[in-house]
Amino acid sequence: GNSVTQMEGPVTLSEEAFLTINCTYTATGYPSLFWYVQYPGEGLQLLLKATKADDKGSNKGFEATYRKETTSFHLEKGSVQVSDSAVYFCAHSFSGGYNKLIFGAGTRLAVHP
Amino acid sequence: DVKVTQSSRYLVKRTGEKVFLECVQDMDHENMFWYRQDPGLGLRLIYFSYDVKMKEKGDIPEGYSVSREKKERFSLILESASTNQTSMYLCASNQNPPRDNEQFFGPGTRLTVL
Repeated sequence: GNSVTQMEGPVTLSEEAFLTINCTYTATGYPSLFWYVQYPGEGLQLLLKATKADDKGSNKGFEATYRKETTSFHLEKGSVQVSDSAVYFCAHSFSGGYNKLIFGAGTRLAVHP
Repeated sequence: DVKVTQSSRYLVKRTGEKVFLECVQDMDHENMFWYRQDPGLGLRLIYFSYDVKMKEKGDIPEGYSVSREKKERFSLILESASTNQTSMYLCASNQNPPRDNEQFFGPGTRLTVL
């Protein structure tokens, strides 16, 4: 079936540390892949996306590469800031139609000064 | 910019009450979605609509209904609220066909059922 698996949180880092949040997916066909971010008290915002294999999505210093061979879309940032503290959701598009997205459980990131 | 708004940020209701959650989008999107978000479970799709008066069940429709009388508005209805419906509810929309399947989200409504 269609699913997304993310590393469990919370992830706690010091400012300027390197961040990796792992994401793997199960899907039929060739889905688009997304990272959404939810800051405290807010809805989800699109952070970055990739629509085909080997594409790299990037935004605000975050990057993720669509790896078809490992069905992965890991999120990375070289130097996190306190303002990056949020919940991060990995998602893929659903090939069964109706423009649906399949979300992972979310990973909470806490960055300390 | 796409804007999706939800009628309330916080709601407190009693068991058995009928609850309406409203969502409005201003970008003429055909598709609208209702999710609930719970810790450790991520987002789960309750219902979605691809046109006025059209609706489809998502993964967890039990205990909910929806209404879409106008293109810009999508309502989620809890006919008789129960404590296990305490959650964060998120509305989203996108165009049809969607651009890369991206969805645009509202700020969420945190519902507490006592």
